[in-house]
Formats: sequence, C-alpha cells, structure tokens
Amino acid sequence: NAGVTQTPKFQVLKTGQSMTLQCAQDMNHEYMSWYRQDPGMGLRLIHYSVGAGITDQGEVPNGYNVSRSTTEDFPLRLLSAAPSQTSVYFCASSPRLAGEQFFGPGTRLTVL
Amino acid sequence: GQQLNQSPQSMFIQEGEDVSMNCTSSSIFNTWLWYKQDPGEGPVLLIALYKAGELTSNGRLTAQFGITRKDSFLNISASIPSDVGIYFCAGLPWGAGGTSYGKLTFGQGTILTVHP
Repeated sequence: NAGVTQTPKFQVLKTGQSMTLQCAQDMNHEYMSWYRQDPGMGLRLIHYSVGAGITDQGEVPNGYNVSRSTTEDFPLRLLSAAPSQTSVYFCASSPRLAGEQFFGPGTRLTVL
Repeated sequence: GQQLNQSPQSMFIQEGEDVSMNCTSSSIFNTWLWYKQDPGEGPVLLIALYKAGELTSNGRLTAQFGITRKDSFLNISASIPSDVGIYFCAGLPWGAGGTSYGKLTFGQGTILTVHP
C-alpha cells in the first residue's frame, strides 16, 4: 500500500490564482481530512469527509473548497489564493471516526 | 474551538536522558494520540490511547491517558539522536462518535533536540 499520497510536493502561486491540491489513499478509509500547518500553531483542520459524497467544515475553512466523489480521493481547492494561505498542507485518512489518522507527506504552498 | 496546551515548547537534552512532555485541555477528550514529525514529512502516529487511565508503550515510548480525560503524557526513555523532531499531541473531544466526527485538535508541538 502507498498509504496517503499528496501532489504536488511544492507549489508557488500568485495572489488570485486558483489550484487544486490532490490527496489519495489506498487503504479504503472512510474518513479523510485536510489540515494546514503554520509555525507555532500545530495543525488546524480545514475540511473533512466521513465518506464519499459527505464533507463538512473544520476550524479554518474559509478560502477552501472540497469534494469527495470517491472513497480514495479528497482534493482541496483554493479558489483565489491569498498570501495568508501560505502554509504546509497535510491530508490524512482514518479507518474510523474516533480512531487514529494517517498523514500524507504534505504540500508546501507559497502564495506571493 | 478546542484548545490543547502542550509543554514544554522545546527541549534540549543529552543522548541517554529521559524525556517527558504533556498536553492539557479545558475540555474532556475520549481519544489521545501522540505523533512525531520529522523535517519535511507528515506526522507519524506513535501511540493511540482510548481509555482514561490507559498506559501504553511503544518501544522506548510510553504514553498515558489522564484519569480526568483532560490530559495526556508522553515519556521517552534513554533518548537517541534519531528521536530528534517535533512531537504533537492530538485529541478527539468527548462525543466524537456523534457530533465531532473525528475533528482532531492538535497541540502546538514540542521540539526535541538530542545532543550526542
């Protein structure tokens, strides 16, 4: 199993550009989530999904959209990038709601 | 939202020393997780705790779920250079099987440096 994979690993955007961060898992996990990590602030939940077709907001959802059309994939979309979205983004998956989450390697995003 | 206070923020120790760090919350949690993050990598799960009072070991690592459900502790014995990294606690609030739906809350992290 590849586990949780994320692409791209690095990305530079200009303010106002849009892009999609990709996340995929091959463990047949129902639960998937997106976090952003900023210095000194740990990881903060952006959006999550409890199964295909079901998504909900986390702690910091503004500026981000998600969809979950399949169990395997959970892309994160930035509609109009802002410098405040410069961060490292992690995708995670879990086999159950109250269980441990497994993280991907991250995408480092810089918005100029 | 939920807040987790993790301490210490950083530690500088000699190889062979034991390490202790903890996380506290003002709210009750029903799951505590401890992760380690190496530079440029995603967090890797070290230990998961699901019951108040639970004490679980993973090699040189031992973690405990506090009796009050509001805290957790991680100990590393006989540290080695590869223990260097950032350690995060994370918790799922009470009722996670219902309304919280697995909304993990993370502490700010403890940066561990081990001198050979």
